[in-house]
Amino acid sequence: AQSVTQLDSQVPVFEEAPVELRCNYSSSVSVYLFWYVQYPNQGLQLLLKYLSGSTLVKGINGFEAEFNKSQTSFHLRKPSVHISDTAEYFCAVSDRDDKIIFGKGTRLHILP
Amino acid sequence: GAGVSQSPSNKVTEKGKDVELRCDPISGHTALYWYRQRLGQGLEFLIYFQGNSAPDKSGLPSDRFSAERTGESVSTLTIQRTQQEDSAVYLCASSLSRADEKLFFGSGTQLSVL
Repeated sequence: AQSVTQLDSQVPVFEEAPVELRCNYSSSVSVYLFWYVQYPNQGLQLLLKYLSGSTLVKGINGFEAEFNKSQTSFHLRKPSVHISDTAEYFCAVSDRDDKIIFGKGTRLHILP
Repeated sequence: GAGVSQSPSNKVTEKGKDVELRCDPISGHTALYWYRQRLGQGLEFLIYFQGNSAPDKSGLPSDRFSAERTGESVSTLTIQRTQQEDSAVYLCASSLSRADEKLFFGSGTQLSVL
């Protein structure tokens, strides 16, 4: 069975600084990987996804993530964050049986 | 409707009572998912449906939890003999057909068990 680990429950970052949110997964088979974002008082929405092909995936709002099969990771990055990026970010994995498992989430705090 | 609709948005109940939570997915979406989000926690997978069938019920916490889906439409999550630890936001999501599709989430039902 697949699982997802987000090691950081909270990440504080100064505005305009780069950020990396870490995600590791475990699965015995090939997977689909996702990042979802939940802005304050809003529902979850898809940020980006990896299905196959290029390991570098670009999403909305300047975020990108890189699939690393050997390290079973799918870390999310942004070169320069804005106050509007304050949100909770969830990594998710599916081993292609249509079941999608989410991590515990990482709260991104943008410091002025 | 344009999005995934969940009702009620809030439910307060007494310990030991049964509750029903409803989810109306986006029209044409065959895949439907239920998750639970406890305060300060991540999303806990409960169950998903492909059409009417539920290939994986392994996430249901106990036999007090059950879910059904009629046609490829409405789904109901039922919690019998509610306990205080059942208090959480219950989220429903739907997608066109498969796990590689984007999930569309509802706003959730906030369940409070007193």
